[in-house]
Amino acid sequence: DVKVTQSSRYLVKRTGEKVFLECVQDMDHENMFWYRQDPGLGLRLIYFSYDVKMKEKGDIPEGYSVSREKKERFSLILESASTNQTSMYLCASNGHREVRYTFGSGTRLTVV
Amino acid sequence: GIQVEQSPPDLILQEGANSTLRCNFSDSVNNLQWFHQNPWGQLINLFYIPSGTKQNGRLSATTVATERYSLLYISSSQTTDSGVYFCAVEKNDKLIFGTGTRLQVFP
Repeated sequence: DVKVTQSSRYLVKRTGEKVFLECVQDMDHENMFWYRQDPGLGLRLIYFSYDVKMKEKGDIPEGYSVSREKKERFSLILESASTNQTSMYLCASNGHREVRYTFGSGTRLTVV
Repeated sequence: GIQVEQSPPDLILQEGANSTLRCNFSDSVNNLQWFHQNPWGQLINLFYIPSGTKQNGRLSATTVATERYSLLYISSSQTTDSGVYFCAVEKNDKLIFGTGTRLQVFP
């Protein structure tokens, strides 16, 4: 069964820490995405990548960066975590000209 | 940018009831999808439906692209239908989500 795997289901970090959220897909997909989900706001796109070493800003990139050194892995980085980054983070992938997106099960991050 | 609005924001049903969820979008789009997020957070794709009507069991969806809306119908609802339903549109290779409809189905 094809899947998108996010490394942690729950994470608690302190304000100011550098945080890495990892996402791995086994479908050889070119496109990968990071979203955050907050109550009443739906899912908002943070960053996405169309290929290795490529990245594009989404709608809310401030306070985040990403890394895509290998096709299967897309990392979201919080350089200095803040309490307003407490949220559910979802990773997704799809292939070029594919209509279906596959989502990971999410990482619930709490910054204290 | 494109706006995606869903209604109602919350819906409470008794098992066996039918419901209609609506999604309005503000611009022409390449693609429209409906997702169900279960209580554990997993997003499952229900329909890819840029236009027309599709059915899958008790669920069906209709998109009228010229009028920029889509409807998701749930018939004979079950407690396992509970969760959040999202509409998402694709524009410029990005998937943009609505704010969702939270559905609770009680026995």
